[in-house]
Amino acid sequence: AQSVTQLGSHVSVSEGALVLLRCNYSSSVPPYLFWYVQYPNQGLQLLLKYTTGATLVKGINGFEAEFKKSETSFHLTKPSAHMSDAAEYFCAVSEENFNKFYFGSGTKLNVKP
Amino acid sequence: DTGVSQDPRHKITKRGQNVTFRCDPISEHNRLYWYRQTLGQGPEFLTYFQNEAQLEKSRLLSDRFSAERPKGSFSTLEIQRTEQGDSAMYLCASTPTSGTYNEQFFGPGTRLTVL
Repeated sequence: AQSVTQLGSHVSVSEGALVLLRCNYSSSVPPYLFWYVQYPNQGLQLLLKYTTGATLVKGINGFEAEFKKSETSFHLTKPSAHMSDAAEYFCAVSEENFNKFYFGSGTKLNVKP
Repeated sequence: DTGVSQDPRHKITKRGQNVTFRCDPISEHNRLYWYRQTLGQGPEFLTYFQNEAQLEKSRLLSDRFSAERPKGSFSTLEIQRTEQGDSAMYLCASTPTSGTYNEQFFGPGTRLTVL
């Protein structure tokens, strides 16, 4: 079975600072990797995904993530945090047939003014 | 924008009662997933449908849980004889037709509280 580890259940940054949310996965097959964002009382929204091709993927709202196979990582970054980025972020991995998605436990991002 | 909808948004019930949740996926999405999310955790896969066929069920889905998707459109998730441990957010997601299963669209969830 696949698993996802998100280091840091809470991350706090100042507005304008770099955002780095960590995600490591375990997979016996080439994974498909995703980042989702969840705002309070809302469903999850896809930020970005890696399936094949370029390992640096860009998503919405200025976020990007890099797939590093040797490190089994898919960390999420944003150069400059905005107050509106405050939310919970989930990393997820799927097998090739997309029958099941495995989610990490989430990281709550707090952005300080 | 007719996204994934779930009903009800909140449900409070007493232990031992049965509850049923409904999910309406985005029109023509042929895959539908159910997840459970407890406080401080990410969504946990419960089951998924391709059209009306239920193709996989998690071991988390005990005999008290049943899901259906008649006619391959909306889906229902029923929990019988609810227990306090069933208290969670139940999420539904759907994905577009074949070839693009990799993007899931989530509904807002149904929050269940079992007293």
